[in-house]
Amino acid sequence: TQLLEQSPQFLSIQEGENLTVYCNSSSVFSSLQWYRQEPGEGPVLLVTVVTGGEVKKLKRLTFQFGDARKDSSLHITAAQPGDTGLYLCAGILTDRGSTLGRLYFGRGTQLTVWP
Amino acid sequence: NAGVTQTPKFQVLKTGQSMTLQCAQDMNHEYMSWYRQDPGMGLRLIHYSVGAGITDQGEVPNGYNVSRSTTEDFPLRLLSAAPSQTSVYFCASSRKRGPETQYFGPGTRLLVL
Repeated sequence: TQLLEQSPQFLSIQEGENLTVYCNSSSVFSSLQWYRQEPGEGPVLLVTVVTGGEVKKLKRLTFQFGDARKDSSLHITAAQPGDTGLYLCAGILTDRGSTLGRLYFGRGTQLTVWP
Repeated sequence: NAGVTQTPKFQVLKTGQSMTLQCAQDMNHEYMSWYRQDPGMGLRLIHYSVGAGITDQGEVPNGYNVSRSTTEDFPLRLLSAAPSQTSVYFCASSRKRGPETQYFGPGTRLLVL
């Protein structure tokens, strides 16, 4: 069972377009993270959100944590070819006994931005 | 400061062979973990450790063993390799358990024939 569902799985767009990637769950998370992974490398952290309703901006990337802390979104404005990569959301559940603090990953969204 | 290092980068095994994937970090991190990444599956936790001498199972632990004798090292052992263990393996570390930045190694690509 996948705790975090990401959509879309694949996204192919032209340079300059805007896009949104979604990360949804029926479970409540104490925090959510977004990672970006390039081919042949490990994921690299982009942002951590911990408060329901929180919005964080990182240049052209906007991250939002849902009010109920069950979902998150990543919005990219004016995408560039350098944004190409696999975007992964990952969350820590609020209350799972011994699994508390463990990070659960979504399956990822593969973004391709064409020049 | 090398961060998280993994060896080997690539490995081909025959079914039934055993091997150890090495992982080391030089950031004095308490928390270390092993993930496997398969196409369309994201990252799945195999085993993790909250400190030297303490390990626990993740989501997909079967067929793998770990130990943590030092803060720096967290090797992953495949006891008897199976084709289903063909995957890319990532080691990660963080300062502590919780909403901390996970630092990932470059990965080990394993093919089991």
